[in-house]
Amino acid sequence: QSVLTQPPSMSGAPGQRVTISCTGSSSNIGSGYDVHWYQHLPGTAPKLLIFGNSNRPSGVPDRFSGSKSGTSASLAISGLQAEDEADYYCQSYDSSLSGSVFGGGTKLTVL
Amino acid sequence: EVQLLESGGGFIQPGGSLRLSCAASGFTFSSYAMSWVRQAPGKGLEWVSAISGSGGSTNYADSVKGRFTISRDNSKNTLYLQMNSLRAEDTAVYYCAKVRGSVTTSYWYFDLWGRGTLVTVSS
Repeated sequence: QSVLTQPPSMSGAPGQRVTISCTGSSSNIGSGYDVHWYQHLPGTAPKLLIFGNSNRPSGVPDRFSGSKSGTSASLAISGLQAEDEADYYCQSYDSSLSGSVFGGGTKLTVL
Repeated sequence: EVQLLESGGGFIQPGGSLRLSCAASGFTFSSYAMSWVRQAPGKGLEWVSAISGSGGSTNYADSVKGRFTISRDNSKNTLYLQMNSLRAEDTAVYYCAKVRGSVTTSYWYFDLWGRGTLVTVSS
């Protein structure tokens, strides 16, 4: 059971917009700690998509956006493309655990 | 080229020990904290341990505390993870990751990852 909760799977057609949620608690996201997002294709190195809730590293398309409110955060992907099919993970800090925590991951399928 | 390359994974019996290495290149290694993150088969990512750029500060997930030791050799641009008293539940792909932010605060994330090395603990 992951500290941060994500939907196990989501899907969308090419061109559509999908939003992946990440729900935490008062000891992590709810305490104001920032949320970061990663994209992971099996067998490859995970890739940073969003840092500090809503910031994109250089090279990440603006189709990817992040937001945070209360005890939750979201990753939105607009204009879905076949290459977006991957696993997505949120990450934050937890004060009870005194360390970094990840969501369980969301497998995104592009129909 | 900026990259991280893990090595040292393999098959080990429960109770055994293994040391993982991560060779860094393309950036000033000593300027950045580093971390290990693992992924068990069919599971999500789990943060394992982190170390400051100087090596003076370390932290661990409760699941490995007292059994794993993170260290680094800045003269060799290499990160290590010494794993002792290994259990079946330690079976995972272990990723090395470069940290942005400070591991002595609450703000840090991973901006560069390696491709991982597989550790299998089984009798």
